[in-house]
Amino acid sequence: ETGVTQTPRHLVMGMTNKKSLKCEQHLGHNAMYWYKQSAKKPLELMFVYSLEERVENNSVPSRFSPECPNSSHLFLHLHTLQPEDSALYLCASSQAFGTPGGYTFGSGTRLTVV
Amino acid sequence: KQEVTQIPAALSVPEGENLVLNCSFTDSAIYNLQWFRQDPGKGLTSLLLIQSSQREQTSGRLNASLDKSSGRSTLYIAASQPGDSATYLCVPRNFGNEKLTFGTGTRLTIIP
Repeated sequence: ETGVTQTPRHLVMGMTNKKSLKCEQHLGHNAMYWYKQSAKKPLELMFVYSLEERVENNSVPSRFSPECPNSSHLFLHLHTLQPEDSALYLCASSQAFGTPGGYTFGSGTRLTVV
Repeated sequence: KQEVTQIPAALSVPEGENLVLNCSFTDSAIYNLQWFRQDPGKGLTSLLLIQSSQREQTSGRLNASLDKSSGRSTLYIAASQPGDSATYLCVPRNFGNEKLTFGTGTRLTIIP
């Protein structure tokens, strides 16, 4: 474990389902991120939260809805997804912007939309 | 806009060899650079973090160097092992921009 825990590890959902991905860190970081990794593509940033406020939404469709209730937890709520949304979803955390620390990533959730 | 290029895209070498992975980036206004490895279908594992003021960092068989002014970093792996097989990513962190830029990495295969 890296210090960033993602659940579930695998998720299969239908296009009409509603599900949520969870990310938790106890590293004392105060910025958290959602990334999407599709097959054979670089990681794409989806959302950034700093001090529990969303500071970036990288043109993500509204069927993805993030929530950051506190600095240790981050959720990604999913509804009416499309098959092309199938991917590995990675959560990361870091210290506040402008500090010299690095990023810590979770193990990811493998999402399959059927 | 930061762009990251890693060469080679794929590398296959026999076990025991020393090897070098190369990374170049276009925007040198960074305050650190991090090397990660990613196993298929898994998350990213941090290997080394180099601050912009540093020239290199070492961890075990791994050594990473940074030449910020020329926009280059290298990852040296000594005495490679089959367990080193993975995709390696270098990730520069820019001032005032928390949107990390990822390249497609170098896919390394160590042949037993």
